[in-house]
Amino acid sequence: DVKVTQSSRYLVKRTGEKVFLECVQDMDHENMFWYRQDPGLGLRLIYFSYDVKMKEKGDIPEGYSVSREKKERFSLILESASTNQTSMYLCASSLYRTGGNEQFFGPGTRLTVL
Amino acid sequence: GDSVTQMEGPVTLSEEAFLTINCTYTATGYPSLFWYVQYPGEGLQLLLKATKADDKGSNKGFEATYRKETTSFHLEKGSVQVSDSAVYFCALSRTSYDKVIFGPGTSLSVIP
Repeated sequence: DVKVTQSSRYLVKRTGEKVFLECVQDMDHENMFWYRQDPGLGLRLIYFSYDVKMKEKGDIPEGYSVSREKKERFSLILESASTNQTSMYLCASSLYRTGGNEQFFGPGTRLTVL
Repeated sequence: GDSVTQMEGPVTLSEEAFLTINCTYTATGYPSLFWYVQYPGEGLQLLLKATKADDKGSNKGFEATYRKETTSFHLEKGSVQVSDSAVYFCALSRTSYDKVIFGPGTSLSVIP
């Protein structure tokens, strides 16, 4: 089974801190994604990556950056955390050549910025 | 651009009731369609999918049929259980290289 793990289930940070959210997948998937999930807004794509060292902006990239130095690891960085970045963050991965681009999700990190 | 619309929740049903969650989409070409489910405290997981018109996806008693003529992919289950309480997301992907577009989610609560 595909496994996607995220470094923390819950995280509390202060305004202005630099925050790192880590995601690791163990099935040699090419694609990795970062979403945030907010009540009433569903899932919104922040960034995604189709290959090592490659990144593409999603729908809401402002205030975030990403890093993919190894195929299995995709990090989301909040350069200077703000209270409006309090949210649930979900990482996902998918196999590059699979038809239909099915995504496998991690359990999520609930981030609170005070 | 591509989009997914699904019925507003929350939906509350009694155990063994029939479930329908409506989903319609807007997309060019022939997208693949998905239903994902999110149980409390967990990430999303794929429930079922269909990759071409008239395909029926099914899993765990849930079914959905890809209707190109009505651009719909409604989720149905004949008899829901308390354990089906979750948030259900309809989604589409136009090709295997594209991003997935998610609907807003429909919360389902099943009461004994």
